Amino acid sequence: NAGVTQTPKFQVLKTGQSMTLQCAQDMNHEYMSWYRQDPGMGLRLIHYSVGAGITDQGEVPNGYNVSRSTTEDFPLRLLSAAPSQTSVYFCASSLTGTSNQPQHFGDGTRLSIL
Amino acid sequence: AQSVAQPEDQVNVAEGNPLTVKCTYSVSGNPYLFWYVQYPNRGLQFLLKYITGDNLVKGSYGFEAEFNKSQTSFHLKKPSALVSDSALYFCAVRVTTDSWGKLQFGAGTQVVVTP
Repeated sequence: NAGVTQTPKFQVLKTGQSMTLQCAQDMNHEYMSWYRQDPGMGLRLIHYSVGAGITDQGEVPNGYNVSRSTTEDFPLRLLSAAPSQTSVYFCASSLTGTSNQPQHFGDGTRLSIL
Repeated sequence: AQSVAQPEDQVNVAEGNPLTVKCTYSVSGNPYLFWYVQYPNRGLQFLLKYITGDNLVKGSYGFEAEFNKSQTSFHLKKPSALVSDSALYFCAVRVTTDSWGKLQFGAGTQVVVTP
């Protein structure tokens, strides 16, 4: 049981490049989400999904796209990378979107935009 | 709008001494409150949560937290800190009416436990 798996662990991009951060979970969780972590700001929600085919925006969605074609996978796409998107990105999941359930986090993708 | 405040950027404590990490919240409704811990280069790990009932919640690794509705606080405590408790701690809140489960995190508190 791998839990939440994120790839790659590290990535360096040039401004304007695009890329996809991968997230997969093997716990049959309905709810998945993407956060970015920046020093002194905690974690901020980018996008989330309550099930296959259903996604919605979080607090800081601009510059990012998501899709959820399967229960297991929830990729995050950077359309045109900007230096302001340099951050650590975390994917998380929970069994359902019910408010009282804790989330399980991946180990993160450390992204630098030059 | 909901928000979480962790007033201390860093807490320093000697091994064996009590550890307290402070958290206050603001929500328009009843809160669900969580504590997570993050070790270097790792994701967040769930420690404990308050949903309802007893105001003192016990969690993993000997941690506990006390919910205080009048002070809108949810402080994390450990009676005797270990060097291995050194990590980044996050408080988070959800409102009970938010069925989509969006978490609001505090900025985090770095705990340093010295031998």
